[in-house]
Amino acid sequence: NAGVTQTPKFQVLKTGQSMTLQCAQDMNHNSMYWYRQDPGMGLRLIYYSASEGTTDKGEVPNGYNVSRLNKREFSLRLESAAPSQTSVYFCASRREAQPQHFGDGTRLSIL
Amino acid sequence: GQQVMQIPQYQHVQEGEDFTTYCNSSTTLSNIQWYKQRPGGHPVFLIQLVKSGEVKKQKRLTFQFGEAKKNSSLHITATQTTDVGTYFCAGRGGSNYKLTFGKGTLLTVNP
Repeated sequence: NAGVTQTPKFQVLKTGQSMTLQCAQDMNHNSMYWYRQDPGMGLRLIYYSASEGTTDKGEVPNGYNVSRLNKREFSLRLESAAPSQTSVYFCASRREAQPQHFGDGTRLSIL
Repeated sequence: GQQVMQIPQYQHVQEGEDFTTYCNSSTTLSNIQWYKQRPGGHPVFLIQLVKSGEVKKQKRLTFQFGEAKKNSSLHITATQTTDVGTYFCAGRGGSNYKLTFGKGTLLTVNP
């Protein structure tokens, strides 16, 4: 049972490049989330998907787009990467009324 | 929007000393969750508190939820080196789908 799988684990981009971070869960969870974690800032919600077919903005959505491809997969896209988007990105999922399960994270550097 | 403040930001203790981190919300919470993140790892769920005044224990860890459901604390008795990491509180307010995370308390333990 893999849980929440994120790819890639590490990535370096140049300013202006685009990239999609992938997330898949095998726990049949309805809700999925994307967070970014920066030093001293905790976890900030970028976008979430309460259920298949729906997506909503979180606290820091600017510069990002998401796609809930199916119940298992929730991707995060950076259309034109900026140095301010250098961060560790975590995907999470949960079942109704249950805690969130996190992936191992993607460490993204933008030069 | 909902804000969750967590203090202290850092705490360094000698092994065997006690440790407490505090969490305060700007709004009443329906529940509060606590997560632990080891260095280089991802957040892992510890516990959820739902009821006003609730106290739960996990071995050396004691979690409390305030009577007004706006604050919470995590207390570790006799810290060990395995307790090292960042402890996050996360509150659920009006939205059933979103958690608001505190910025976390980084605990380091000197053996």
